[in-house]
Amino acid sequence: DIQMTQSPSSLSASVGDSVTITCRASQNVGSFFNWYQQKPGKAPTLLIYSAATLLSGVPSRFSGSGYGTEFSLTITSLQPEDFATYYCQQSYSTPYTFGPGTKLEI
Amino acid sequence: EVQLVESGGGLVQPGGSLRVSCAASGFNVRSNYVSWVRQAPGKGLDWVSVIFSGGSTYYADSVKGRFTISRDTSKNTVYLQMNNLRAEDTAVYFCARDIYDTAYGYWGQGTLVTVS
Repeated sequence: DIQMTQSPSSLSASVGDSVTITCRASQNVGSFFNWYQQKPGKAPTLLIYSAATLLSGVPSRFSGSGYGTEFSLTITSLQPEDFATYYCQQSYSTPYTFGPGTKLEI
Repeated sequence: EVQLVESGGGLVQPGGSLRVSCAASGFNVRSNYVSWVRQAPGKGLDWVSVIFSGGSTYYADSVKGRFTISRDTSKNTVYLQMNNLRAEDTAVYFCARDIYDTAYGYWGQGTLVTVS
């Protein structure tokens, strides 16, 4: 199975800051890689798929990059609604594993 | 509009069985892959199982041999039959549908399964 690691596990920032979350896959997943946001008590929502494609309707302050085993999610000009937990996921091979999550706090 | 609505969660004793359902609307469950993803209280997302459009199924090692994913196209519903449940299976179970064969673009609201 492909293992996913994320860093940092938690992050404190302020409104207006820019932050970057990184994720590493234990083997090459190409661009079969996705980012999700989850707020307490809610289902996750997809932000970015295929490593760098922004889902329609997601603000352009979110961006993704990477290929193979190293990936990153950058959020510029943080807004109050961005404080949430972020998960990476590989969809290259089953089981489609998720990373452990990064909690972004004010 | 695509919608996924889970049901069937509840309290079950260790060793017991439960079937959770994911009723789909706005698409045909034969045309996309649908998965179950769970989240234990205060923990991260844990991929459980998938049924692909062609009918093939896959499971996480932690549930293999105990859980079975299936679908009923006449009801446009995907199921997760869970047998020999353990305390560590306690979680909110979400169903999710792919977009572009690559990511979970649609999620249900989840159903809580408590094994105790």
